[in-house]
Parts: sequence; structure tokens; C-alpha cells
Amino acid sequence: DAGVIQSPRHEVTEMGQEVTLRCKPISGHDYLFWYRQTMMRGLELLIYFNNNVPIDDSGMPEDRFSAKMPNASFSTLKIQPSEPRDSAVYFCASSRQGTGELFFGEGSRLTVL
Amino acid sequence: DAKTTQPNSMESNEEEPVHLPCNHSTISGTDYIHWYRQLPSQGPEYVIHGLTSNVNNRMASLAIAEDRKSSTLILHRATLRDAAVYYCILRVGISSGSARQLTFGSGTQLTVLP
Repeated sequence: DAGVIQSPRHEVTEMGQEVTLRCKPISGHDYLFWYRQTMMRGLELLIYFNNNVPIDDSGMPEDRFSAKMPNASFSTLKIQPSEPRDSAVYFCASSRQGTGELFFGEGSRLTVL
Repeated sequence: DAKTTQPNSMESNEEEPVHLPCNHSTISGTDYIHWYRQLPSQGPEYVIHGLTSNVNNRMASLAIAEDRKSSTLILHRATLRDAAVYYCILRVGISSGSARQLTFGSGTQLTVLP
């Protein structure tokens, strides 16, 4: 298995620009999670999907953040417009029903200037 | 959500056992105890999980107190590659055992000394 694949690994953008982060979960996994990690707040769950349907988006900080999962093999997290306080590492993780194990990607490091 | 309490940091010597403690006094009967670790510049990595009985796998052992209000992650022989932040997390369990979201705390930073 290739593992959870995230892109881009690094993104530097200017305030106000749109940012799209991408995630390919492990094949056969039916849960997908988006987390954000900062020094101040640690790892925070933003949203998770089950069978491509958003289940809990209570962690999404503002309307500027949106996430989609158009099919079982792809998800996006979009920030529009981006702000400096959005700078963080964004992790995608996937899991299979009936197991207790989440598999994380290597993360996308976002810097908003 | 039930919370966990872990020491901020611990040190260990290479090739010695490490016991990482976790308190979870408000754990409910259906909460699973999970351990993840995060190596520098990487995403979190699953280590082990359990419900009531002690568990062993190739990475570590998990010892769960009889009242389930605390647990200990045991690395039998620490290596330099085990230096990481270790997170103890409670996951709400339901009968189907479905994967649910994990709420990460601040974890324990383990330093392994050569």
C-alpha cells in the first residue's frame, strides 16, 4: 500500500489567496479525517467523512474553510481567502470501519505571508 | 470527551525499557485507549490500543490498570528512533467498533539518550 498521499508537501502563499490541499486515502478505507497542527493548539480535528459523506465539521474554524470528498479516493481542503493565522501543518488520515487505527499522511505545511 | 493526562516530557537511555504513563480517571466503559506517536516532521503513527486487557504488538506493550483509570505504554528497548511525542487518547467505542475521530492532547515528548 502506498499509504495516505497528500499534496502539496509545502505551500507558501500570500494572504488573500486561495489554497487547496489534496488527499488520497488508502484504498478500501471508508473514513477520512482532516487535522491541523500548530505549536499553540497542537493537533485539531477539522472534519471527517464516512463513505464520502461529511459527518462532523464542527472543527472547521470558519466559513473560509471547506472540505469535499467527491469520491472514495480523493478529498480536498480549501481555504479561501487564506490568512497568516492559517499557517500550520495540515494532516489527512484514513481508517477502515471496525478498526481502531488511523493512518496519517506526511502532511502539507502551509505558510501564509 | 473523557480526557487524558500525561507528563510533558520523559527521558530514557538507549536500549533500556521505557514506561510512559497516562491517567484517564473519567474513562467510560466503552472507551478504547489508543497510543500514537509522532516523530519529528512526520504525521502521527499508530502504536497500540486496548480496551481492558493488556496488549502486545511488535512495537510496544500496553498495560491497563484493573480499574482502567490509568495505562502505561511500554517500549521494551528504547532506540534513538523512538524519540517522539507519544499521545494517549481515548476513543469512544460502539458495538460495531467503527473508527471514530481521535482527540489528541499535548502528549509526552520522549528523549532517548545515547
